[in-house]
Amino acid sequence: KAGVTQTPRYLIKTRGQQVTLSCSPISGHRSVSWYQQTPGQGLQFLFEYFSETQRNKGNFPGRFSGRQFSNSRSEMNVSTLELGDSALYLCASSPSGMNTGELFFGEGSRLTVL
Amino acid sequence: GQQLNQSPQSMFIQEGEDVSMNCTSSSIFNTWLWYKQDPGEGPVLLIALYKAGELTSNGRLTAQFGITRKDSFLNISASIPSDVGIYFCAAQNYGGSQGNLIFGKGTKLSVKP
Repeated sequence: KAGVTQTPRYLIKTRGQQVTLSCSPISGHRSVSWYQQTPGQGLQFLFEYFSETQRNKGNFPGRFSGRQFSNSRSEMNVSTLELGDSALYLCASSPSGMNTGELFFGEGSRLTVL
Repeated sequence: GQQLNQSPQSMFIQEGEDVSMNCTSSSIFNTWLWYKQDPGEGPVLLIALYKAGELTSNGRLTAQFGITRKDSFLNISASIPSDVGIYFCAAQNYGGSQGNLIFGKGTKLSVKP
């Protein structure tokens, strides 16, 4: 069974640009969550999608957005990039609508903003 | 807001030693989980605990859900080099949507062969 796949793995952008990250969950998993990981703040929840609907959102500005497609694949977008957006962005999927906390993470997309 | 205090922040141990780390909070949770992150990888779930007082093992790993529901610990016995990584505790009150799961800042484990 293939794991969670995130693309791209690495990318470099400059301030003011925008970026789109992609996540393919494990087959059959309908919930996809996104996290930002930085050395200082640790793992911080961005948002969760279930059946194409955003169910929950963390405390991030509106520049951070996401969506989920009918095949459960998800994308997140960050507009008007800032230096502080440099981080590892992790996608995690889980099989059911009930949140047990048991997440399957991808390897992440490492974003560097110059 | 809710936060998890994970300690120690880092550990340097000799191969074969036992390791103990813990996670505390001022809030009550009904789920505690432990994840491990290897360099360049995403976190992987090690153990999930759903009942206060529960003690669960996964190979050389043992974790307990504190009876007060405000803490959890993880023990690793007879450490080996592949135990190197960052260990995260996580907690939530399960049910409903994601976003209630919060993570500790992690314990970085280094193992000397």
